[in-house]
Amino acid sequence: DGGITQSPKYLFRKEGQNVTLSCEQNLNHDAMYWYRQDPGQGLRLIYYSQIVNDFQKGDIAEGYSVSREKKESFPLTVTSAQKNPTAFYLCASRDLKALYNEQFFGPGTRLTVL
Amino acid sequence: AQSVTQLDSHVSVSEGTPVLLRCNYSSSYSPSLFWYVQHPNKGLQLLLKYTSAATLVKGINGFEAEFKKSETSFHLTKPSAHMSDAAEYFCVVSDEYNTDKLIFGTGTRLQVFP
Repeated sequence: DGGITQSPKYLFRKEGQNVTLSCEQNLNHDAMYWYRQDPGQGLRLIYYSQIVNDFQKGDIAEGYSVSREKKESFPLTVTSAQKNPTAFYLCASRDLKALYNEQFFGPGTRLTVL
Repeated sequence: AQSVTQLDSHVSVSEGTPVLLRCNYSSSYSPSLFWYVQHPNKGLQLLLKYTSAATLVKGINGFEAEFKKSETSFHLTKPSAHMSDAAEYFCVVSDEYNTDKLIFGTGTRLQVFP
């Protein structure tokens, strides 16, 4: 099955710890994205990457870091500098060669800081 | 700046009755518009997209949306609600300057009563 996988589904972290969320896709998409979702709000873009070894900040990049060493993988690290990290995190991907720019989403990771 | 406004945060309908979820957008050009659905603790699934080929867009699960430029609206409808339609729905517009950016509405929670 082609798709996007995120792991783990639920993650608990103590304050002051860094934590890394996994995102893998086998759709052969060029671009990958990380979003944060809070209750009652739409999704907000954290980081995105169009090509291996390159990525750009989104609207709320502070306190987060990413890497793109492989086309299939785009892990997100939530650092201790992120003031309010408890949220639902969604990864997405897009085929840059497609005519329209819809994004395809993974199932999400719910991060809770204790 | 572009924006998306979902006019109702909650909509409740009875099973078998029509569904109307309202969305207005602001954009200085002819935008790409999307509706996504999110079931609890799941990722987002694309319902349909407007790409200027036709103003009435048909999507999955019996949903459709009509693009009305004069009203800057892209309302989502379904003739007959099903219990499985209960979810959160997001209206989304593509950023006119950066195709990597999607601008999300704050969502409409649809409840379906038996």
